[in-house]
This record gives sequence, structure tokens and C-alpha cells, in this order.
Amino acid sequence: AQKITQTQPGMFVQEKEAVTLDCTYDTSDQSYGLFWYKQPSSGEMIFLIYQGSYDEQNATEGRYSLNFQKARKSANLVISASQLGDSAMYFCAMREYTGFQKLVFGTGTRLLVSP
Amino acid sequence: DTAVSQTPKYLVTQMGNDKSIKCEQNLGHDTMYWYKQDSKKFLKIMFSYNNKELIINETVPNRFSPKSPDKAHLNLHINSLELGDSAVYFCASSHLRTSYEQYFGPGTRLTVT
Repeated sequence: AQKITQTQPGMFVQEKEAVTLDCTYDTSDQSYGLFWYKQPSSGEMIFLIYQGSYDEQNATEGRYSLNFQKARKSANLVISASQLGDSAMYFCAMREYTGFQKLVFGTGTRLLVSP
Repeated sequence: DTAVSQTPKYLVTQMGNDKSIKCEQNLGHDTMYWYKQDSKKFLKIMFSYNNKELIINETVPNRFSPKSPDKAHLNLHINSLELGDSAVYFCASSHLRTSYEQYFGPGTRLTVT
């Protein structure tokens, strides 16, 4: 069964610094996708970045990059140059391609960016 | 031109009542989902429909009944509401085989008193 673990319930970072949010996963499938979503205090779920299990390069989207270490089964999110607007809950999620695109989410990490 | 919309955004009701949440997507996707986010922010899938056919049905009480009248709509009806049903319910949509991202609606915050 799929499982996502986010061990950091909360993280603090100063504005303009980089921060890494941890995510480890467990799956027996060879083909899967890893996702990060941001949930600000307003409540909506915002897709940030995606990494496929066969992608050789780490995914990047602007200030977001995904540090994918397949052997370790980790998919950490790196946010460079943090901004006050980055304060939010961040969820790691996984989807096995053999299934029906069911997303399994981690418990989330609350990031607080201070001035 | 909202991609995935849900109504209502807030729903406050008493125990024992029956209520519905509606979801519509204008992205042309063939698959829609309902997720529940509890008070601890944990998100879990409840149901999924592909081309109006139920494909995912997680362990959810029978009081919850999804209905998909067409590919663009997925409604959630809840009978005999209980205190534990209080949560935020998210609708999402995607192409089952050709896209990886699921687009989420804004969520419906259900409060049962």
C-alpha cells in the first residue's frame, strides 16, 4: 500500500533563506508520481511541482525544486529565497500509475516565513 | 472562468440533516474526485468517478453517496449528518490517463452542530 511520511509538523525560516521540507514514501510499484501541494490559510490546494518515478532529473518550477532520491524513497521540496507569502501548509502526495490516480497525501508541514 | 468550482463554500447544519455539495469542472477532464480534509488537516480520498462511472470507493459510511450526472459534475450527498462529518470537502478533477495533475476546487467547509 502507498504511504507518505512528512516528519516535520512545523518549520520556520527567515525571509530570503532556502528551506527544505522532507517527504519519504513507500510503494511497491515501479511507476508512480510524486507531488507537492501548497495550502495557504485561505484553504485552497495549489499544485506546486511534480516528479515522475522515471524522470532522471529533479523537477524545478521557479523557486521550487524537488530533490528526488529514488533509492532512499525521498522527495524533498526545496524552496529557495523564501517569501512571506510562502507561509502555508505543504503536502507531499503520491500516485501509483497502476491505480486510478488516487492521490495519497502526507500529514503536511506548516511553514512559517518570518521577516 | 473557474476551473473547478464547488457550492456552497460554507455549510452549517444540524445533526441528522441531509445535505448536498455540488462540484463542476470546465476543464474537459474525464475523472472527478472527492477528498475529505479533517480537523488535523489530513486529506483522504473518498470517491472517484471516471466518465460517470464509480472507480474509487474508499471506506466511507453509506450515508455518503456521490452522484455524477455527467463528466463535468460530481455531487456529494450526505444523509443523517453526524458531528464527525465536520470537515473540509474538496472536489478535484483530472484526465485519468493523460495528465498527472489533479486540479482542486476551493473546498466546502461543512460544520455539523
